[in-house]
This record gives sequence, C-alpha cells and structure tokens, in this order.
Amino acid sequence: AQSVAQPEDQVNVAEGNPLTVKCTYSVSGNPYLFWYVQYPNRGLQFLLKYITGDNLVKGSYGFEAEFNKSQTSFHLKKPSALVSDSALYFCAVRDTSAKIIFGSGTRLSIRP
Amino acid sequence: DTGVSQNPRHKITKRGQNVTFRCDPISEHNRLYWYRQTLGQGPEFLTYFQNEAQLEKSRLLSDRFSAERPKGSFSTLEIQRTEQGDSAMYLCASSLKGTGGAEQYFGPGTRLTVT
Repeated sequence: AQSVAQPEDQVNVAEGNPLTVKCTYSVSGNPYLFWYVQYPNRGLQFLLKYITGDNLVKGSYGFEAEFNKSQTSFHLKKPSALVSDSALYFCAVRDTSAKIIFGSGTRLSIRP
Repeated sequence: DTGVSQNPRHKITKRGQNVTFRCDPISEHNRLYWYRQTLGQGPEFLTYFQNEAQLEKSRLLSDRFSAERPKGSFSTLEIQRTEQGDSAMYLCASSLKGTGGAEQYFGPGTRLTVT
C-alpha cells in the first residue's frame, strides 16, 4: 500500500536561511508526489508535484522539491525562508486509485 | 470566486442528530473527493466521485456516513446519528481526470463540532 512519512513534526528556521522539510514515500509503481501547505483557518493549497521528468520540481512561492528515487524521498526546499512561510506542510502520494494519501504534516516556523 | 466552495463553514450539533454538508467543485472538474481532518493530522480520505459515480469509499466511512453527487456537479456528505468522535474538519477537493497526476484543489472545509 502507498504511504508517506514526514519524520519531523516541526522545523524551525531563521528568516533568510535555507529550509528543508523532509518526506519519504513508499509506492508500488511510478510515484505521483505532491506538497500542500495549510495556513491557519484556510484550506490546503497545492504547492508542487512530481509526475515524471526532472528530479527538481519548482512550485509556488519559491518552493522546490527534489525527487530521489534511490532514497525514496521528496524533500521540500526553499533557498531563503520568509516569516510568511510559517505554516503546516503536507507531503502526499497518489494512491493506485485517484485518492491522495497524506503525511502527518510538518509545522514550519520561521523566526525573524 | 471559481474555487471549491463548501457550506456551511461551521456546524455545531448535538450527539445523535443528522448533519449534511455541501461541496461545489470547480466547474470543469469531473472528480470530487471528501476527506476528514482532525487537529494536528493530515487529511484522511473518505470517498470520491467521478462524475456522478461513487468509485471508492474508505473503511473509515461507517454506515452512518453517506455521500451523493446526483448530477455530477455538487456533492453532499451526510452523517447520521452523529457521535462526538465525528468532530473534525471535513474537506472537499476536486480535480480533472487526466493522466494520473492531476492535483486536487481543496475547499476551505466544514468544521463539525458534536456536543
């Protein structure tokens, strides 16, 4: 069965520093991987996805993610963090059907 | 606003009552999904529709839960005989059926509190 793991409940980064939010996955077949962000009292927003092609995927708000097949990872990255990036981030994998399986989430906190 | 909309945004009900939530997807999207999210957790899949056909239901969905999408447009999720454990955020999402990698767009959710 498809699954996704986010090993860190919280990540703390100083503004201006690079950030990484980790994600590992388990799938049978080709992975379809996603990152979503959830701000307080707002719905989930799509950030980026990996389907095929380049291992480095660029998305919204300056975020990017690196697909690593050998390590079964799909880490979210940003070169320079902003305070406004503080939110809850979810990694997700598409199931063999159409539904998405979400990780437990990582709370990103950017300090000024 | 052409995004996914959900109504009501908040619902407080007493244990044992029935509740119904509505979701209006993005107009050209033919797939519609329901998820449940509890505090501090990722969304859990409940069910999804392709057009009016309900294609999959999670084992989380007991007999008290039912969903419809009668004309392939909006959808309703009904919970009968609510229990305190049903208190959660209920999220709706929609997407286009494509080659498999279509992202889902989420509505703001309906927060249910069962007292």
